Amino acid sequence: QSALTQPRSVSGSPGQSVTISCTGTSSDVGGYNYVSWYQHHPGIAPKVMIYAVSKRPSGVPDRFSGSKSGNTASLTISGLQAEDEADYYCCSHAGIYGWVFGGGTKLTVL
Amino acid sequence: QVQLQQSGPGLVKPSQTLSLTCAISGDSVSSNSAAWNWIRQSPSRGLEFLGRTYYRSKWYNEYAASVKSRISIMPDTSKNQFSLQLNSVTPEDTALYHCARDLAYFDNWGQGILVTVSS
Repeated sequence: QSALTQPRSVSGSPGQSVTISCTGTSSDVGGYNYVSWYQHHPGIAPKVMIYAVSKRPSGVPDRFSGSKSGNTASLTISGLQAEDEADYYCCSHAGIYGWVFGGGTKLTVL
Repeated sequence: QVQLQQSGPGLVKPSQTLSLTCAISGDSVSSNSAAWNWIRQSPSRGLEFLGRTYYRSKWYNEYAASVKSRISIMPDTSKNQFSLQLNSVTPEDTALYHCARDLAYFDNWGQGILVTVSS
């Protein structure tokens, strides 16, 4: 079970939109609708931003959205704000192996 | 409000066993809707799922393929907690270890314990 593939870094200016991709296989991302996304600031526990591919927990701004096509899931952040700068990780159910994370993407707000 | 409190040593010698415990308050380790996970984080590997235990009329365990041969996660219903044992550790196992609850996504995390593998 290999880690899901994410870009190492993405960037955007305030107000712009960015999309982070998360590519797996039919044994994880493509096989289940249990993809979640986490925002991680150093020293703080990761915070779930999206779960079940496209659902937002209460309190998460609707600027955050998720989708999936085949073996690739995506997180889109629209109307970028400085506070969005963080590391983002995707995570997918992986059958008998439980869960698998992506390698993480560093979002820089220019 | 769910809280997870981790405990265990921060230093383990190579080839020995890493042992951590996660005490649960506000939920039950025997919950029929939650699962109880161990996740670690390191600069080189980011977040890495290690394994989980959960109860659905009987106990189940799922382990990451990368550690499957040397990991054990055990529930303790009498103390409402669960534990991690990772055998034959190497310096590569140095990481920040978290316990976490999942309801099909991770919604509550322990405070994290930095475990260093060194002689």
